[in-house]
Amino acid sequence: AQSVTQLGSHVSVSEGALVLLRCNYSSSVPPYLFWYVQYPNQGLQLLLKYTSAATLVKGINGFEAEFKKSETSFHLTKPSAHMSDAAEYFCAVSERITSYDKVIFGPGTSLSVIP
Amino acid sequence: DAGVTQSPTHLIKTRGQQVTLRCSPKSGHDTVSWYQQALGQGPQFIFQYYEEEERQRGNFPDRFSGHQYPNYSSELNVNALLLGDSALYLCASSFPQGDYGYTFGSGTRLTVV
Repeated sequence: AQSVTQLGSHVSVSEGALVLLRCNYSSSVPPYLFWYVQYPNQGLQLLLKYTSAATLVKGINGFEAEFKKSETSFHLTKPSAHMSDAAEYFCAVSERITSYDKVIFGPGTSLSVIP
Repeated sequence: DAGVTQSPTHLIKTRGQQVTLRCSPKSGHDTVSWYQQALGQGPQFIFQYYEEEERQRGNFPDRFSGHQYPNYSSELNVNALLLGDSALYLCASSFPQGDYGYTFGSGTRLTVV
């Protein structure tokens, strides 16, 4: 069964600093991987996804993530944090062996941006 | 183009009651998945509906049931509510043969008292 771990339930960065949110996955087949963002009292918005094409994936709002099979990781980065990046971030994995694409989410990392 | 819409946005129920939550998927999407998100946690998969059938189910008791209609809209029903059922319930739609990834609604906040 697939699973996701996110190291660090809370991360604080200064405005303009590098953002690094860590994600490791477990999957018995080549995975599809995702990062979602959730603002307070809202649903989840897809930031980016890896679906076995390029290992470096670029998403919205300047975020990107790199798939590293040897490390079973899919860390999320952004070169320069903005105040509007403060939110909850979820890494997710799917084993798309059929068209029934169950997506499993990690516990989330809360990002705070300090002015 | 409307995204995923969920109703109601908030509701309060008493222990032991039953509740029905509703979801209309994004236009062109035919698969609906339901998630439960407790406060401070990641979304937990409840079940997924495709072609009006439950295709996959997570580790939730039979008190949680669902339905999908021919127009792809879906309902989540929870019977015999417990205090622990208090959570944000998220609906996500997708199109398996198309652009991969879920589109989420804003959720229904259920409080059981």
